[in-house]
Amino acid sequence: NAGVTQTPKFRILKIGQSMTLQCTQDMNHNYMYWYRQDPGMGLKLIYYSVGAGITDKGEVPNGYNVSRSTTEDFPLRLELAAPSQTSVYFCASQGGSTTDYEQYFGPGTRLTVT
Amino acid sequence: AQSVTQLGSHVSVSEGALVLLRCNYSSSVPPYLFWYVQYPNQGLQLLLKYTSAATLVKGINGFEAEFKKSETSFHLTKPSAHMSDAAEYFCAVSDGGRGSTLGRLYFGRGTQLTVWP
Repeated sequence: NAGVTQTPKFRILKIGQSMTLQCTQDMNHNYMYWYRQDPGMGLKLIYYSVGAGITDKGEVPNGYNVSRSTTEDFPLRLELAAPSQTSVYFCASQGGSTTDYEQYFGPGTRLTVT
Repeated sequence: AQSVTQLGSHVSVSEGALVLLRCNYSSSVPPYLFWYVQYPNQGLQLLLKYTSAATLVKGINGFEAEFKKSETSFHLTKPSAHMSDAAEYFCAVSDGGRGSTLGRLYFGRGTQLTVWP
C-alpha cells in the first residue's frame, strides 16, 4: 500500500493564480481531510469528506473548494491564490470504524504564494 | 465539543534525560486520544493511541502515555531521550464516532522537542 499520496510536493504561485492539490489514498477509507499547517498554529481543518459525493467545511474553508467523486481521490482547489494561503497542506484519511479512528497523513504540499 | 491544550510549545532535554510532553483535553464524550510525531519536512506519523482499553499506552520508539480521566490529561513520556527524537509532537482528541463530530480529530498546537547532546 502506498497509503496517502499528495502531489505536488512544492509549488510557487503568483497572486490570483489557481491550482489543484491532489490527494489519493489506497486504503479504501471513507473519511478524508485537508489541513493546513502554519508555524506554531498546529493543524487547521479546511474541508473534510465522509464518503464519495459528501463534503463539508472545516474551520478555515474560505478560498478553497473540494470535490469527492471517488473513494480514492480528494482534490483541493485554490481559486485566486492569496499570500495568506502560503502554508503546508496535508491530506489525511481515516477508516471511520470503531477500532480505527486514527488518521493517516500524506507527506504534504508546501505552497508559497507571492 | 473536543479540544486539546499542549503546555509548552518548546521543550529541550539532554540526551538520556526524561522526556515529558504535556497534553490536556476537553471532550463531551469519553475520548479517544492520540499522539502524532512530525519529523522535519514530513507528514504526521502516529506514535500511540488510547481508545478506552488500558490507560497506559505504549507506542513506537519507546514512548508511552497515560490516560488520566480525573486530570483530563494524556501526557507523553519517554525515559531516555535520543537525538533522533527531535521532532514536533501533536496531541489530538476524537469522540471516536460516539458524538456529534463523527470521529474527527482535534489537534493541539504542537510541542517542538529539542534534544541536546
